Amino acid sequence: AIQMTQSPSSLSASVGDRVTITCRASQGIRKDLGWYQQKPGKAPKLLIYAASSLQTGVPSRFSGSGSGTDFSLTVSSLQPEDSATYYCLQDFDYPVTFGGGTKVEIK
Amino acid sequence: EVQLVESGGGLVQPGGSLRLSCAASGFTFRTYWMNWVRQAPGKGLEWVANIKQDGSEKYYGDSVKGRFTISRDNAKNSLYLQMNSLRGEDTAVYYCVRDEGYCTGGVCYLLFDYWGQGTLVTVSS
Repeated sequence: AIQMTQSPSSLSASVGDRVTITCRASQGIRKDLGWYQQKPGKAPKLLIYAASSLQTGVPSRFSGSGSGTDFSLTVSSLQPEDSATYYCLQDFDYPVTFGGGTKVEIK
Repeated sequence: EVQLVESGGGLVQPGGSLRLSCAASGFTFRTYWMNWVRQAPGKGLEWVANIKQDGSEKYYGDSVKGRFTISRDNAKNSLYLQMNSLRGEDTAVYYCVRDEGYCTGGVCYLLFDYWGQGTLVTVSS
């Protein structure tokens, strides 16, 4: 199975900061990657698909980039409501696999 | 409004079986791939299985292959997960997830766009 490694596992940043989370695949996955946001006690929410396409309704401060093995999710100006855990997911090959998650806290 | 409502979770002994159900509404169920994704308490997300619109293709995660079976009944707008030989590590919230899917240039991507609220499965003696 393709392994997805996220970093960092957690971070703390201030409102207005630019925040970047990275995800590395154990083999090339083209652009077959999505990003999900999960708040405590809630189901995950799709933010980005196909590495860089913004899901309808998601604020434009979220963006994704990368291809092959290295990907990133960037929040251009962190907001209080962005406090959550973020997961990458590869759908290049079965089994579909998630990264371990990055917990984002607001200072 | 799209709704996915899971049921069937509960406490089961190791080695036991359980069948989860997901009732779908608000969309044309028969036209979507459907998935199960789980999350152990305090842990990350794990994809469990998915099934094609007509049930002709099914795929499983490595940890559940041979023990879990995904199925669907399009006439009843329902998705199922039959779980056998349950282990402690199967303890998790199980989510029913719709795959919107997006295809471009001959490549298709998974879009897990709607999730249910989840049902908790606890495997313990």
